[in-house]
Amino acid sequence: DAGVIQSPRHEVTEMGQEVTLRCKPISGHDYLFWYRQTMMRGLELLIYFNNNVPIDDSGMPEDRFSAKMPNASFSTLKIQPSEPRDSAVYFCASSLDRWDNEQFFGPGTRLTVL
Amino acid sequence: SQQGEEDPQALSIQEGENATMNCSYKTSINNLQWYRQNSGRGLVHLILIRSNEREKHSGRLRVTLDTSKKSSSLLITASRAADTASYFCATAGTGGFKTIFGAGTRLFVKA
Repeated sequence: DAGVIQSPRHEVTEMGQEVTLRCKPISGHDYLFWYRQTMMRGLELLIYFNNNVPIDDSGMPEDRFSAKMPNASFSTLKIQPSEPRDSAVYFCASSLDRWDNEQFFGPGTRLTVL
Repeated sequence: SQQGEEDPQALSIQEGENATMNCSYKTSINNLQWYRQNSGRGLVHLILIRSNEREKHSGRLRVTLDTSKKSSSLLITASRAADTASYFCATAGTGGFKTIFGAGTRLFVKA
């Protein structure tokens, strides 16, 4: 298996633009997590899904952020409109069977909003 | 907050020495996990220890868990330059269905 795949790896955009980050979890994994990592705030859980259903979105910072999982092999995190404070590395991770099992992380998307 | 807090924030040692990192947390847990993150990469799972376990080993890694003190330690023996990375503890609490990551310990192993 190729592991968790994220795209793009780097994204540079201007304030106000829409940004869409993509994730393909490991095949067969039931859980998918979106995280944001910054120097100031560390690694924050934004939202996670179980069997394509959002379970906990309490970490989503505000309405500008939305996440979808239309099927078991694909998820998106969208920011609209983007702001400079959204600049961070966004990670997607997946796990098997349980929400508290080990998580397999993707390589991340480094987002810079100018 | 359930969040684990690592100690120290940063650690610099010579190759061959042992490195010990600690994690403290505040609420009851199902398990505690340790992850490594190399610069510019995603996190990699190292080891998971359940609340009813006290010690686990994996290669040069040794993890202990003391639920009475709500703390865990990660020991890396005979460290190598390749162990240079950030190490995170993550707690899976019994009260909430999410795993929370601490701020991490940055380990630098000098060759």
